[in-house]
Parts: sequence; C-alpha cells; structure tokens
Amino acid sequence: RKEVEQDPGPFNVPEGATVAFNCTYSNSASQSFFWYRQDCRKEPKLLMSVYSSGNEDGRFTAQLNRASQYISLLIRDSKLSDSATYLCAVTRNKLIFGAGTRLAVHP
Amino acid sequence: DAMVIQNPRYQVTQFGKPVTLSCSQTLNHNVMYWYQQKSSQAPKLLFHYYDKDFNNEADTPDNFQSRRPNTSFCFLDIRSPGLGDAAMYLCATSRRRTATTQETQYFGPGTRLLVL
Repeated sequence: RKEVEQDPGPFNVPEGATVAFNCTYSNSASQSFFWYRQDCRKEPKLLMSVYSSGNEDGRFTAQLNRASQYISLLIRDSKLSDSATYLCAVTRNKLIFGAGTRLAVHP
Repeated sequence: DAMVIQNPRYQVTQFGKPVTLSCSQTLNHNVMYWYQQKSSQAPKLLFHYYDKDFNNEADTPDNFQSRRPNTSFCFLDIRSPGLGDAAMYLCATSRRRTATTQETQYFGPGTRLLVL
C-alpha cells in the first residue's frame, strides 16, 4: 500500500464548477501536509500548506483531518488555467508525494 | 530569476553510458534533494544532502550516485543507465534548521532523461 494515495482522475469539469480532491496518508506520524500543482512536463510548485484549522487562499481551500488521516483541496469557480495535476505531499523526515490527481477544466 | 537551475533540460543517453545531471541554486539553501519522477507517478526521493552530509534512501539503486562540491551545486550521476531509468529528474532545495525539521522545498524545472 502506498503511503500517500490519491484518486488519479481525471476530473473533467466545466469552467465555474467547484471540485474537491481528497488524499489519504497511512502514517500517523506524518508531520506537515501540502498541496502542489504540477503542469504537464513541469516541476511541482507549492500551492499551499495544509493546517488542521483549514486554510484558504482565494478560490482554494485546504483541510486536514488527522483523525481520519486525509487532506482535501477544494477549488471554487474553476478556471481553464486550473487544469493541471494536483499532488498532495506529507512530511515524515522527508517529503512523500502522492501520484497526483489530474484536473481538466473545459469551457 | 531562476532560483533552482537544472541542466540540461533534456538529456539523451545510450544504454549503459554514464550520464551526469546538474543542479545549481541561488537560494543559499543548506539542503539539496534529487527526485525521480516517472510518467503518472509520484516524485520519488533518491537522496539528499544536508549541508555536506549525504543521505541515501534505502531503496535507491547503487547505480545512482551524487556529489555536492559546494553549497550551490549538486550532481546526479547515473553510472550505467538502463531503459527503466528514463524519467524526469527533479532537484529541490530547502533551508533546514535541524536534521529533522522540514521546510518548504523549491523545485528546479527538471531534466528529462531518455535512454536509448
């Protein structure tokens, strides 16, 4: 079983839709949590850190549930430019990535 | 301005022919990482340097080696590339205050390796 698991998608949504991704992690000793965005053939770029209290950055909201060991990302009012792969990552002495969820936003 | 630079962006090598990928950084970060990412897979940590201390992941094949001659530069050497080593190789850096804390990692654009 992978330490960090994500639904690979793709999620195909129209512009303006709200879309949510979940990510589960298996090691309860995981310390920090992140969402990265990766465009095709590019490097991962940090989208946001994830805190237990939840955090919001514009149209993006991230949430951590330590008891159930999952993190979520909500994207509101999807734009065409949001099309990318979203990787969740956790740290436990090192950064461990999920394989990513692909999002395709269409007109 | 680029902060983590990787050269070359694309590298073609022959089966078994040694290849070196390079990474440099202008952030003066004390930690440098090498990841391997295959298509539709998660980036996988190969090893990292915490200052001059080399830390190899247990499942990183011996075929992969690394050098860090100074703070700014780090190299990934693949001694005998196989077809299965074709992947994107990502370099990242971070500033770490202790041996166990983790700070935000900044990634370079990657080098895509093709093995013929």
